[in-house]
Amino acid sequence: GAVVSQHPSWVICKSGTSVKIECRSLDFQATTMFWYRQFPKQSLMLMATSNEGSKATYEQGVEKDKFLINHASLTLSTLTVTSAHPEDSSFYICSARGGGDTGELFFGEGSRLTVL
Amino acid sequence: GQNIDQPTEMTATEGAIVQINCTYQTSGFNGLFWYQQHAGEAPTFLSYNVLDGLEEKGRFSSFLSRSKGYSYLLLKELQMKDSASYLCAVVDSNYQLIWGAGTKLIIKP
Repeated sequence: GAVVSQHPSWVICKSGTSVKIECRSLDFQATTMFWYRQFPKQSLMLMATSNEGSKATYEQGVEKDKFLINHASLTLSTLTVTSAHPEDSSFYICSARGGGDTGELFFGEGSRLTVL
Repeated sequence: GQNIDQPTEMTATEGAIVQINCTYQTSGFNGLFWYQQHAGEAPTFLSYNVLDGLEEKGRFSSFLSRSKGYSYLLLKELQMKDSASYLCAVVDSNYQLIWGAGTKLIIKP
């Protein structure tokens, strides 16, 4: 099946620094990718929809200047957490919509961010 | 508003059968997904239903009734590794995914 690769799997950074997370669709082209955040014991929360070649669509309450999303190609979307703070520590997951009848959502492995 | 309801937590015994229910109220319907998520990992796809009825895949089956806004995931011959959260998600009329909060399934020996 289709594979979505996410990198890095985990990252620790100091408060005030920026962190970039990459999401790649390895064997299919994804015009749309989704970025989620998940705090411990909570459900997935959609942060933004990343559209290839255009600006991302952010969910209400998500700061677009803090969470920069770039979808430069049909196989790569990046999420940059700028000026990270400890409250940004979370599990960030990307997904991409496959083709076919189901339009199944394929998820990356997730990236665990810890901000000290 | 749009709403997906599923139980917060369920407990079952190894080898038994468990049914996880999901009811939804959404603006339009273009299918329903079930995903499994182990703690600290990304969700993995289990099933997709867009027509009424039961779809079986090995030990897992998923049922949909569009008129009732209802689906369930049936897990048979439970194994300890089935301990996970099970997420129900509906595709609405705008092709957006509306997620339930997930059901944490605890399997006891």
